[in-house]
Amino acid sequence: SAVISQKPSRDICQRGTSLTIQCQVDSQVTMMFWYRQQPGQSLTLIATANQGSEATYESGFVIDKFPISRPNLTFSTLTVSNMSPEDSSIYLCSAMTGGYTEAFFGQGTRLTVV
Amino acid sequence: AQSVAQPEDQVNVAEGNPLTVKCTYSVSGNPYLFWYVQYPNRGLQFLLKYITGDNLVKGSYGFEAEFNKSQTSFHLKKPSALVSDSALYFCAVRDPTRSSNKLTFGGGTRVLVKP
Repeated sequence: SAVISQKPSRDICQRGTSLTIQCQVDSQVTMMFWYRQQPGQSLTLIATANQGSEATYESGFVIDKFPISRPNLTFSTLTVSNMSPEDSSIYLCSAMTGGYTEAFFGQGTRLTVV
Repeated sequence: AQSVAQPEDQVNVAEGNPLTVKCTYSVSGNPYLFWYVQYPNRGLQFLLKYITGDNLVKGSYGFEAEFNKSQTSFHLKKPSALVSDSALYFCAVRDPTRSSNKLTFGGGTRVLVKP
C-alpha cells in the first residue's frame, strides 16, 4: 500500500487568489490523480498527473484554472487559480502503482473561498 | 463509457444486524470493481476489490462483496454491523481495457448504524 500526505489539510482563501496543494507519496507510483468532492457527495476526476509531461484533464477542467505538476514518481501539486466561492470543495490526491491494484487517497484538502 | 450506480442514498441498520450496500455497474469489458469507505473529514479508505477469480471477495473490517456478472452488481455486505461502520461508502469501477486507468465512482451511500 501507499501512504499519501496532502498539504494543507484545509485553508480559507480570498477570492481571486491561488492555492497550491501538495501531494507526497511514500513510494514510487505509476499514476497520480486529482479529484474534487463536495462534502458528502461523490468524487469528480479533475485530471491525471503525468510524470514529466502535461496533465490529462477531464471535460470541464482546464489547465489555466487547475495547473498540475508532477516532477517525479512520488510528488504532485494542484493549483487552484483565480479562486471563486464556487471552488470551495474538498480536493483529493490519489495514486496507484499498477493496473491491477487499488488506488490510494490522501486525506484531502478542504478549501473555502470567501 | 463506464458508470456506477448506488441506488440508495442512505441505509439505516441496527447494530448487530446484517448490512448490505448496493452497487451496479456498466463497463464495456470485464470490470475491476472496488469499495471504499470515507469517515468524516478523512480521505477514502480502500475496503476490497474484485479483479478476477472467486466471485466472493473478502476485505477489511469484516466486509465482503459478491460479484454478479449477470446482474452487473457488486454489493457490499457485512454479517453484523457495528456503530463504528457508520460512514459514507463508495463503489468504483475501472475498465482494464482502457489505458487511462481512471476510476469512476458511484454517488455514495451513507450508512447509519444505530445502537
